[in-house]
Amino acid sequence: AIRMTQSPSSLSASTGDRVTITCRASQGISSYLAWYQQKPGKAPKLLIYAASTLQSGVPSRFSGSGSGTDFTLTISCLQSEDFATYYCQQYYSYPRSFGQGTKLEIK
Amino acid sequence: QVQLVQSGAEVKKPGASVKVSCKASGYTFTSYDINWVRQATGQGLEWMGWMNPNSGNTGYAQKFQGRVTMTRNTSISTAYMELSSLRSEDTAVYYCARGRARLDPWGQGTLVTVSS
Repeated sequence: AIRMTQSPSSLSASTGDRVTITCRASQGISSYLAWYQQKPGKAPKLLIYAASTLQSGVPSRFSGSGSGTDFTLTISCLQSEDFATYYCQQYYSYPRSFGQGTKLEIK
Repeated sequence: QVQLVQSGAEVKKPGASVKVSCKASGYTFTSYDINWVRQATGQGLEWMGWMNPNSGNTGYAQKFQGRVTMTRNTSISTAYMELSSLRSEDTAVYYCARGRARLDPWGQGTLVTVSS
């Protein structure tokens, strides 16, 4: 099974900041990676797929990059509604697997 | 709009089974896989398995093999996830999600509480 490791596990930032979250796969997954945002008490929401393709309706301040084993999610100018937990997920092979999550908190 | 609506919260005793439903609307139910993902309180997302609503084919995470069954009723565009031999560690929110690769959209979640 492919293990996904995110860093950091938590992150404090301020509105307007640029933040980057990293996701590493235990083996190469090409670009078969998605990013999700989850707010408390809500279901996850798809942000990015194919490592860098923005899901329809997602603000352009979100971007993704990477391929192989190393990936990043960048939020260019944090807004108040962006404080949430973010997960990466590989869909290169079964079983599907998620990173452990990165909680983005207000500084 | 594309939507997945799940059944309501359940409370079960250890050793019992639970069956959660996921009703799809806004798209052709048989055209997309349904995945099940669970999340214990304060924890991350755990993938449980997938089902192809057209063929009925399934694939389960090894952790749940022998305890989980994913089925569907195409006449009412509904997928089901049944988990048996429940234990306290199965207390979690269970989500269904559409897709074979990226998962979108997700159902609203169903809280399953296992308690004696």
